[in-house]
Amino acid sequence: EVQLVESGGALVQPGGSLRLSCAASGFTLSSYWMNWVRQAPGRGLEWVANMNEDGSGKYYVDSVKGRFTISRDNADNSLHLQMNSLRAEDTAVYYCARGISTVDSYWGQGTLVTVSS
Amino acid sequence: QSVLTQPPSTSGTPGQRVTISCSGSSSNIGSKSVTWYQQLPGTAPKLLIYSNNQRPSGVPDRFSGSRSGTSASLAISGLQSEDEADYYCGAWDDSLNGYVFGTGTKVTVL
Repeated sequence: EVQLVESGGALVQPGGSLRLSCAASGFTLSSYWMNWVRQAPGRGLEWVANMNEDGSGKYYVDSVKGRFTISRDNADNSLHLQMNSLRAEDTAVYYCARGISTVDSYWGQGTLVTVSS
Repeated sequence: QSVLTQPPSTSGTPGQRVTISCSGSSSNIGSKSVTWYQQLPGTAPKLLIYSNNQRPSGVPDRFSGSRSGTSASLAISGLQSEDEADYYCGAWDDSLNGYVFGTGTKVTVL
């Protein structure tokens, strides 16, 4: 059974850092494009970042470039999002998603990041 | 600020047909496949339509998608109470070199 379980969400002060993780099971993460998508409270979806199967291609939304880094650990089949220099506008539920525009798309349940002093 | 524009809301009675539009540009919908998502209250988004008009297994054929030029549409025929949700379109944008979602449409079943 395919599962994606996000973790690492927390309350963090502006300027702080946080590392989100997404544990995958039921499939090999490195065989798919993987994505992070976020949703601010009461707002719409915003794509944050993705990486291709072999990790050679990584793409980010402009608002997080230089602050966020997407990575993958093949050893434990997990996806990560390192978030630095966090701002209030980064407050959102962060979803890990496999192939968001393909037939085999699958989304986790999300983890909440709150940036506030 | 999303580059794909959807109406904020639409509604219908059970059994009716509703459509949701998604307006983009030549760098996204005009040249890339459109995907539609359904987000039920308090849950993660779920893939509804991919490659403009393809339904994954398990999605009822009441849902259909189409694309024309720089716009796309999602139609729900035979509206049911369980269709009450937020719907988003999405596509890759070659100018932004990133994926973009629509602004979202809330469907209410009266």
